[in-house]
Amino acid sequence: DQQVKQNSPSLSVQEGRISILNCDYTNSMFDYFLWYKKYPAEGPTFLISISSIKDKNEDGRFTVFLNKSAKHLSLHIVPSQPGDSAVYFCAASARNDKLIFGTGTRLQVFP
Amino acid sequence: NAGVTQTPKFQVLKTGQSMTLQCAQDMNHEYMSWYRQDPGMGLRLIHYSVGAGITDQGEVPNGYNVSRSTTEDFPLRLLSAAPSQTSVYFCASSEQGAVGGYTFGSGTRLTVV
Repeated sequence: DQQVKQNSPSLSVQEGRISILNCDYTNSMFDYFLWYKKYPAEGPTFLISISSIKDKNEDGRFTVFLNKSAKHLSLHIVPSQPGDSAVYFCAASARNDKLIFGTGTRLQVFP
Repeated sequence: NAGVTQTPKFQVLKTGQSMTLQCAQDMNHEYMSWYRQDPGMGLRLIHYSVGAGITDQGEVPNGYNVSRSTTEDFPLRLLSAAPSQTSVYFCASSEQGAVGGYTFGSGTRLTVV
């Protein structure tokens, strides 16, 4: 059973606009959430994270929002740039235990 | 500082063969994990370790063994390769576990024929 779900396999956004990537989870014990970015033929790289005691974390163009009651988090990228084109994975952990990933969303930013 | 090093980068195995995927990190990280990436399935956790001598199963452990005799190394063994194990395998390490974020290697692409 998939505990972390990314229901949109792909997203296409125009350069300069906002990209919103969504993630849902089922395990109420998850207390830490992360977003990773992956380019082809490379390993994932850490992007941004959020603890369950917060509902928002911002780092430059990237903001993660957490809605615990809905078991939902989202990653906002503003403004989107062509170099942001990659696969984005959300991940979650309970009590700093193993890190469980979602299925990924492929973001394409076009000019 | 090499980070997380995985070898080999590519491997083709015949069904039934065994092999070991190597993973080494030079950051003195206690936490290490193995993932496989398959189309439409995302990254799935195979095994993980919170320190030398300590390992535990992830989401898809069947057909794989691990050991952690040193902090630096975390090899993944395929006991009898099957076509279903064709995948891209990633090793990752972290100083603080999930909270600190994991650093990933560049992956091993394995094909079982």
